[in-house]
Amino acid sequence: DQQVKQNSPSLSVQEGRISILNCDYTNSMFDYFLWYKKYPAEGPTFLISISSIKDKNEDGRFTVFLNKSAKHLSLHIVPSQPGDSAVYFCAAIRNAGNMLTFGGGTRLMVKP
Amino acid sequence: DAGITQSPRYKITETGRQVTLMCHQTWSHSYMFWYRQDLGHGLRLIYYSAAADITDKGEVPDGYVVSRSKTENFPLTLESATRSQTSVYFCASSPSGGNQPQHFGDGTRLSIL
Repeated sequence: DQQVKQNSPSLSVQEGRISILNCDYTNSMFDYFLWYKKYPAEGPTFLISISSIKDKNEDGRFTVFLNKSAKHLSLHIVPSQPGDSAVYFCAAIRNAGNMLTFGGGTRLMVKP
Repeated sequence: DAGITQSPRYKITETGRQVTLMCHQTWSHSYMFWYRQDLGHGLRLIYYSAAADITDKGEVPDGYVVSRSKTENFPLTLESATRSQTSVYFCASSPSGGNQPQHFGDGTRLSIL
């Protein structure tokens, strides 16, 4: 049973618009969440993270929102650029843990 | 150059064979990890290591063996490969585990015929 789920396998967005990628989790013990971005034939690279004591974290064009009561987080990219086209993974970790649990990924395509 | 490198990048082998995937990092990170990526499952942790000679099982350890005699190397061995182990394998490292973001290698695509 997947503890972290990304229900949209793909998302297509026009350049300049907002991209919203969603992630749901079931394990209430998770208290830190990360987003990774992956290009083909490369390893994932860290993008942004959020602690469960916050509900928002922003870094440039990227903002992550956390709704603990709904066990839901989302990644907003504004404005979207063609170079943002990649697979995005959300991941979660428990307090004092070392094991990241990943979602299945969402492929984002940003059209020029 | 500093970083994390995996070798080989591609490997084809037959069922029952032993195969070892290599991972080397130059950051002197304490923690190293092995993941496999399969369609629909994202990345799943196989094993991780907190330091030389300290290893722990992840979510899917069956059929795999790891060792860490030196901080910079963390090889993953499939002692008797099976078709279900066909996957893309990623190695990662982080300075101190926990919430620290992990840095990933570019992966090894392994096909078992």
